[in-house]
Parts: sequence; C-alpha cells; structure tokens
Amino acid sequence: GENVEQHPSTLSVQEGDSAVIKCTYSDSASNYFPWYKQELGKGPQLIIDIRSNVGEKKDQRIAVTLNKTAKHFSLHITETQPEDSAVYFCAAYSGGGADGLTFGKGTHLIIQP
Amino acid sequence: GAVVSQHPSWVICKSGTSVKIECRSLDFQATTMFWYRQFPKQSLMLMATSNEGSKATYEQGVEKDKFLINHASLTLSTLTVTSAHPEDSSFYICSASREARQPQHFGDGTRLSIL
Repeated sequence: GENVEQHPSTLSVQEGDSAVIKCTYSDSASNYFPWYKQELGKGPQLIIDIRSNVGEKKDQRIAVTLNKTAKHFSLHITETQPEDSAVYFCAAYSGGGADGLTFGKGTHLIIQP
Repeated sequence: GAVVSQHPSWVICKSGTSVKIECRSLDFQATTMFWYRQFPKQSLMLMATSNEGSKATYEQGVEKDKFLINHASLTLSTLTVTSAHPEDSSFYICSASREARQPQHFGDGTRLSIL
C-alpha cells in the first residue's frame, strides 16, 4: 500500500515569512495529492490539491509543487499570518482499487507574531 | 459549497452502550463516504469506505461487527460503535466525495468518550 512521509513535524516561522512542508510517497501509481489544514477540535479542511499531470499549482498565498520522478510534493505558504497556525496534513491517493486517502503524520505550523 | 455535517460533535457514554454518528453532505450528493479515526496529535487513519447502496469496505484491522457503517442515501452515512469500551474513545471524522477518486470534504468530527 501507499506510505506517506511528512516533514517537519513542527515548524515555527515569523509572521510574514514563508513556510514549506514536504512530503514523499511510495506508490508510483498515486495520482492525486491534497493538502488539508486542521484547526484544533475541527475536521480537516481542503486547502489545495494537485494531480499527477501537473507540476505546480497556486492559489493566492498557497502553492503546491509535485515531482513525480522523485515522488515528493511540497506545500508553500508565503506571507504567513497568525491564522495560518494549524496542523497541516498531506495525503496521497492511489489510482488503484483503494479510494481512501493515505495521510502524512502532520505538521504543526506555528506563526510567531 | 461542499459542506459536510457530522453529528453529534461530542458524546460521552457508559461502557457497553452503542453510539451512532451521522455524516451528511449538505449541498452535494456523495457517492462515496469515508470514516477515519484520529488519536490525539496523530494523523487520520482510514477505517472504512462506504458507497451508497452497497456494503462498506473495511481497512485491515478494523472490526466490521464493532463499527457498523450504513450509507443508505447519497447524503447520509452512519457509523455505529457497538458495545463501546474505553479503548474506543477517539475522534471520529467522516468525509464525503461526489464520486470515487474525487476530492474529499471532511466533517468537523465527533469526539467519543467512553467511561
């Protein structure tokens, strides 16, 4: 099955700086990679996703890059704000029979004022 | 939109009772719904996948007789934790997608505490 590794587990950045979270996956058949933001006591919220036929996708301050050859993808947040503080999860979705997502272990992003 | 509502948000009950959690897609029809379990400060672990009108597919290690899943309509799936015990205490989260292999949208979870 799929295995997703996520780093770092905790990331602290100054407000206004950029934050980068990286994930690797094991199944070369995986073709969909969403990123979720989870605030305390709530469910994950989809913030951006990318499919395997695209190398980069951007939505305002958030961008995701995908390197299929190396089997890794990254989340980039620019001009960070206090409300960006949360736990971020990457996930991968294989194209086979399994429909469920395999999640990384999460990154606790802390934005220092 | 793509709003998923989960109810209840918090439940406390005695050991041995059964608890039902509902997951509803409010503004779209969900062919597929998923149930996850999350322990404190850990990631989400997929428990089962349910498709409307058919039996759920459980992940390895998840007891199907313990965690009963019903996906009776395109907007509702339920998870029943039968004869719950303290070790079943956890945060249970559902997600829904319009069809297989489409983006999943999550509910806000149910915190289950078994005394």
